[in-house]
Amino acid sequence: GIQVEQSPPDLILQEGANSTLRCNFSDSVNNLQWFHQNPWGQLINLFYIPSGTKQNGRLSATTVATERYSLLYISSSQTTDSGVYFCAVFDFGNEKLTFGTGTRLTIIP
Amino acid sequence: DAGITQSPRHKVTETGTPVTLRCHQTENHRYMYWYRQDPGHGLRLIHYSYGVKDTDKGEVSDGYSVSRSKTEDFLLTLESATSSQTSVYFCAISRQENYGYTFGSGTRLTVV
Repeated sequence: GIQVEQSPPDLILQEGANSTLRCNFSDSVNNLQWFHQNPWGQLINLFYIPSGTKQNGRLSATTVATERYSLLYISSSQTTDSGVYFCAVFDFGNEKLTFGTGTRLTIIP
Repeated sequence: DAGITQSPRHKVTETGTPVTLRCHQTENHRYMYWYRQDPGHGLRLIHYSYGVKDTDKGEVSDGYSVSRSKTEDFLLTLESATSSQTSVYFCAISRQENYGYTFGSGTRLTVV
């Protein structure tokens, strides 16, 4: 099946800083999603981004499918950005959404 | 926010008892999923449904069964709960199987 790896595993930043999270995947995909799991456990779908760039407020994401990676940018971090960020791709061979290992982001006031 | 609710939010049950978790959606999405999330294992698919009465197994389906008698409801049953089934259970919905997943708030289940 498709392997999905994320880096860094942990990231601690001061409020106001910018960050870049990376997602690498082992096979060609056209259906990458980014999720945020907040400290209360809620999983929020941030982006569906099979290719190109999308922006939503302080968050933006870029996927380069031909090079098998996606980046999530968070600008001017706020404490509410804390949590775990997952990328996920749908593996048509196994018919399931495969999640990366996650990046735990902690924003310090 | 997408209309998806899980019940109960928290449950403590005894080993050997049956337990049913409910997922309810108001979005009329075709696909519904049950996942469990455990430290060190991430999110793992238990069962999924691609229509009324159409369900299939995921990667960790042993000890679980599901039913979908209406588009809006997807039930997960632990036939005889074991301590290894202590976990946080998430339901998700999507219009298509390969994108646009929306997750419920989760059910924290403790089997004692």
